[in-house]
Amino acid sequence: DAMVIQNPRYQVTQFGKPVTLSCSQTLNHNVMYWYQQKSSQAPKLLFHYYDKDFNNEADTPDNFQSRRPNTSFCFLDIRSPGLGDAAMYLCATSRDIQTNFNSYEQYFGPGTRLTVT
Amino acid sequence: LAKTTQPISMDSYEGQEVNITCSHNNIATNDYITWYQQFPSQGPRFIIQGYKTKVTNEVASLFIPADRKSSTLSLPRVSLSDTAVYYCLVGLNYGGSQGNLIFGKGTKLSVKP
Repeated sequence: DAMVIQNPRYQVTQFGKPVTLSCSQTLNHNVMYWYQQKSSQAPKLLFHYYDKDFNNEADTPDNFQSRRPNTSFCFLDIRSPGLGDAAMYLCATSRDIQTNFNSYEQYFGPGTRLTVT
Repeated sequence: LAKTTQPISMDSYEGQEVNITCSHNNIATNDYITWYQQFPSQGPRFIIQGYKTKVTNEVASLFIPADRKSSTLSLPRVSLSDTAVYYCLVGLNYGGSQGNLIFGKGTKLSVKP
């Protein structure tokens, strides 16, 4: 089945030690997103790619970076994780929009739960 | 940016119809209204999307009044497995530099036997 896959499902890293989370998709969608979701909070968009074009949210810390080497894969790099970065990280995809009045659903992966020790 | 307001929580019993209302007073002309469902430790799952009037699919209905300043997600005959958090989302389904994709705080629905 076409889907969004995130690896690993659980990641433990040390304070200040760089960590990379991965996302892959078999949907061939143009757009890929990374969200951060802390406990009992709503998902918060960090950034997204429209094809190879990177779009950063204004309030996303510089500590968070992303790479998209091809259509199928997208990575989230946290350069120096702090205790406050412990959260669920969600990857999502969607098709691109064709017109202003056409909008498509997002398909979410299961998430990677990051623990910072 | 279009912000949304939803009840924090709702309780229901199996077999009842549940209506969750979302307020979005400053919705833009191009914005769509989308609802997602999220179970613990899982990613959100798309339920329904609409622009105006009424939309119905196999799991829910979405009612949007003419002024589009609110919307109501209707879940017919809920079961225990519908216990989840429901998010109302307003915007284009494409982020952009304006951060159009803002999830509201969500409504935690608890269905009891």
